[in-house]
Parts: sequence; C-alpha cells; structure tokens
Amino acid sequence: EVKLQQSGDELVRPGASVKMSCKASGYTFTDYAMHWVKQSPGQGLEWIGTIIPLIDTTSYNQKFKGKATLTADKSSNTAYMELSRLTSEDSAVYYCARYDNWGQGVMVTVSS
Amino acid sequence: EIVLTQSPTTTAASPGEKVTITCLASSSVSNMYWYQQKSGASPKLLIYSTSSLASGVPDRFSGSGSGTSYSLTINTMEAEDAATYYCQQWSSNPRTFGGGTKLELK
Repeated sequence: EVKLQQSGDELVRPGASVKMSCKASGYTFTDYAMHWVKQSPGQGLEWIGTIIPLIDTTSYNQKFKGKATLTADKSSNTAYMELSRLTSEDSAVYYCARYDNWGQGVMVTVSS
Repeated sequence: EIVLTQSPTTTAASPGEKVTITCLASSSVSNMYWYQQKSGASPKLLIYSTSSLASGVPDRFSGSGSGTSYSLTINTMEAEDAATYYCQQWSSNPRTFGGGTKLELK
C-alpha cells in the first residue's frame, strides 16, 4: 500500500523557518516525482513545486521561489520542504503528493 | 500561467441525479486530473489523464474533454459524493488547480 506519512503540525513565530517531512512507503521512492501543495484556510489548492528524487531535480511555482525549498533523501525515502521567513500568509495546510496519493497534510500556524 | 475555471462553484444534487462539473482552461492542455476532497481530509484522485478512472473509484465517475474544455460527471449521485471537486492540469508549469466545485446533497 502506498503511503505518504507527513510530520506533525507546526506552530511557528513570524520570521522563522519550518521544515516538514514526507516519508514514502509501499513503492520505489525514486520512481515517482513528489509534489507539494498548499491549501490556505477555507481556500483551494496551490501547487508549490515538484522534486524528482531520482535525479534531485526541482521545479517551483514562481510564487514560491525563495519561500520553499524542496529536498529528498533517497536513503530514507523521505521528501522535505522548508519554508522560510514565515508570515501569517503562510498559515495553511501543506500536502506532499504523488499524482495519485496524498499525505495527510501538515497544518502550519504562524503566530507570535 | 494556465487558469482553470470551474463551474458551477456550488451545486446540489439529489440521490440518483446526474452531476456534471466543467473545467475551462485559459490555454489548451493535454489532459486533466480530477480530485475529490471531503471536509478535513486530503484530496483523493478520481480521474487521471482526462478519462482514466483511478484505482478504487466507483464507475459512476467519469471524465472527458480535450483542449480547453473538460468535465467530470457523476452518473448517479450518492450521499458519499458530497464533497469539493478540483480539476488540475499538469501540462505546463506552474501546475494549476481549478477553484473548486462544492457539491452538496439535496
């Protein structure tokens, strides 16, 4: 069974950074790209970017360049996303996803 | 950026009723993906490559379309289909989603 297990919810201070993880199981990690998606409260879905673990190649939505950094660790089948210089606009649920399976989401709350 | 416009934004259907959701793209895309999201849950893939049914998805769901116009159809509405539906294009960066269609049970 394909599973994407994300790390826990985060409460962070404005201006800080947060790094979240997405551990993949049930398939060969390097066979699929991993995508990251943002869902702001009560809003729709926004594509942040994609990493191809096999060749460590990333592509980003221009809107999130400088905000999000995607990495992957093939040894642990885990993808990561770091968000920097957080503001209240970054408060949202963040998902990792293959095209056909999604993680459970990480709720990031930016508050002082 | 390719903008995807879904219609209707909100709709309601009775059990057994047919439902069609449309997704119009601002430029031509090669195919469309459809996701279902229930309250408090992650999105779930329903349709990939415009018309292929994802694993485990009931066959009352179907997808069609080409170019700039795509649709998702639920042949016979069931209570469990009440959810928000999103289209997504993977043809070009940035990959974009439609704004969503909220489907309620009448």
